[in-house]
Amino acid sequence: EPEVTQTPSHQVTQMGQEVILRCVPISNHLYFYWYRQILGQKVEFLVSFYNNEISEKSEIFDDQFSVERPDGSNFTLKIRSTKLEDSAMYFCASRFTGSSDTIYFGEGSWLTVV
Amino acid sequence: GENVEQHPSTLSVQEGDSAVIKCTYSDSASNYFPWYKQELGKGPQLIIDIRSNVGEKKDQRIAVTLNKTAKHFSLHITETQPEDSAVYFCAASKTSQGNLIFGKGTKLSVKP
Repeated sequence: EPEVTQTPSHQVTQMGQEVILRCVPISNHLYFYWYRQILGQKVEFLVSFYNNEISEKSEIFDDQFSVERPDGSNFTLKIRSTKLEDSAMYFCASRFTGSSDTIYFGEGSWLTVV
Repeated sequence: GENVEQHPSTLSVQEGDSAVIKCTYSDSASNYFPWYKQELGKGPQLIIDIRSNVGEKKDQRIAVTLNKTAKHFSLHITETQPEDSAVYFCAASKTSQGNLIFGKGTKLSVKP
């Protein structure tokens, strides 16, 4: 079964450092998402990406966040200057088209900011 | 924007009993309602979903009901098994956008 893959599975970083989380969405999918989940809390929407541009973003997705699809397979989330409160599990997700609603999630990248 | 409320936050049942988790949503334009199961340290896994043109959907031991008028939907798990123990999240979205708004989750414990 096709799946969304994410790397790294866990990263520890110093406060103020830049972090890049990587995702390979399911190959024929066209919509890409990043969500985050702070420990013990609900999954929160960060950003959606379609046709090489951001289609929607939440209040959480401020100027320190950016997304990129550098090639035909990867989808990245960059956090420019990490803060302690950025510590969370970050999930990448993808969806085929607007007519197919199912969103598939990756296993997540656990980010710890110290 | 959309707000999804989920109850209960924890649910403990005996193996073989049924479990029901309920969610309400605020945006009448939402038309897609998936349920995800999340096991410890893993990503959310879709278990069942329902669209606003359907009132009920069933897949083996799992069923979901939707009341558009009242803006609530429920997950029903029958004949629960220990492997059903996990955190379950409901979510809502508008198909054209696709981003999901999640409820806070229900930790289901099935005791053997």
